[in-house]
Amino acid sequence: DTGVSQNPRHKITKRGQNVTFRCDPISEHNRLYWYRQTLGQGPEFLTYFQNEAQLEKSRLLSDRFSAERPKGSFSTLEIQRTEQGDSAMYLCASSWDRGSEKLFFGSGTQLSVL
Amino acid sequence: GDSVTQMEGPVTLSEEAFLTINCTYTATGYPSLFWYVQYPGEGLQLLLKATKADDKGSNKGFEATYRKETTSFHLEKGSVQVSDSAVYFCALSDRSNDYKLSFGAGTTVTVRA
Repeated sequence: DTGVSQNPRHKITKRGQNVTFRCDPISEHNRLYWYRQTLGQGPEFLTYFQNEAQLEKSRLLSDRFSAERPKGSFSTLEIQRTEQGDSAMYLCASSWDRGSEKLFFGSGTQLSVL
Repeated sequence: GDSVTQMEGPVTLSEEAFLTINCTYTATGYPSLFWYVQYPGEGLQLLLKATKADDKGSNKGFEATYRKETTSFHLEKGSVQVSDSAVYFCALSDRSNDYKLSFGAGTTVTVRA
């Protein structure tokens, strides 16, 4: 069990570019969550998966955002045509099932849009 | 919808001082309550939890009691150490929201030697 892994740790991009982040959950965890955290705020829910099925997308997730979990293992979060307001820490978490008390977080990907 | 309000920081304390971080919540159902901690450069970690009224969660000398009558889950530690310096997040999950976590804004705690 190596924990939840996120790559890259940091990403600097220019406004208008596309970026993709990857999350590798703990092996055999069914649920995978994406959160976004801005400076001075707590994590905000973006979307989550039960195996490969995306169960819900937050209203925070505009059409420029898309997340996939094609084989029910790793997940990717893509942001198209990035804006400065997208600058944030993007957190991934996984769990066995619905029990949030067993949610394990990765260290996050820090995105800076210039 | 569900929401969590926690005490604003930052909080700066001396070693061995008493720490309290207030947290209140609003929920449509009967939520489970959590405290998460984020040490510098690390991911969020579950510190403690409570799943029903009057339950006390405890870990690493920290405690919090689920108070349904006041919708609160205040975090306390009797004698802090420099290693407790971190950001602390109060959170809840609710069956009506499929157990997704809702977080407070976080409280930054700095403990000086």
